[in-house]
Amino acid sequence: GAGVSQSPRYKVAKRGQDVALRCDPISGHVSLFWYQQALGQGPEFLTYFQNEAQLDKSGLPSDRFFAERPEGSVSTLKIQRTQQEDSAVYLCASSSLAGAGTDTQYFGPGTRLTVL
Amino acid sequence: DAKTTQPPSMDCAEGRAANLPCNHSTISGNEYVYWYRQIHSQGPQYIIHGLKNNETNEMASLIITEDRKSSTLILPHATLRDTAVYYCIVRTYNFNKFYFGSGTKLNVKP
Repeated sequence: GAGVSQSPRYKVAKRGQDVALRCDPISGHVSLFWYQQALGQGPEFLTYFQNEAQLDKSGLPSDRFFAERPEGSVSTLKIQRTQQEDSAVYLCASSSLAGAGTDTQYFGPGTRLTVL
Repeated sequence: DAKTTQPPSMDCAEGRAANLPCNHSTISGNEYVYWYRQIHSQGPQYIIHGLKNNETNEMASLIITEDRKSSTLILPHATLRDTAVYYCIVRTYNFNKFYFGSGTKLNVKP
């Protein structure tokens, strides 16, 4: 596809349930990022992958949050035992370069998670 | 990463230039200024970035002051579709993550 895709677009979970959010980056992109966006706020960084290696997970809010990218392409963000404060839009972004520099991050449409 | 300060909201008449300011007084020499925008219910969209020279592309122009402590994003002829939240981001060269802040809500009015 031409852009970053995410699924599902909307997810409703009962408190305590586990959820898995999927991100399909732009084909060939080395770097992949997850962000969390609460209502009315800007996105906040969660974690970063370079190929299959998770190089930065400093933004993950608790050990209930886990992300993986086992083959260096598709990534899954998993939230265990969801809480109401986990309700947010989860955004995935990818970029073509390894490392930093001035490579542009391209964002997907996000997954809106609502925890009841 | 250096933090940025943006006005929470701005209005602009359709067809007129929209000038969105951003202060980044603690920016360092190796930090870039990026602009993204987010239209309701969509992911952030890249607009433009620069280091110290002014930049222009098909979407906008970026004017960075000589001391690099502030910048202005210019949309030359705003349309209703430009209504969005605009984020000014300062990014260190060797760090990947973006710090978005709260952005400026631009309302383009007919």
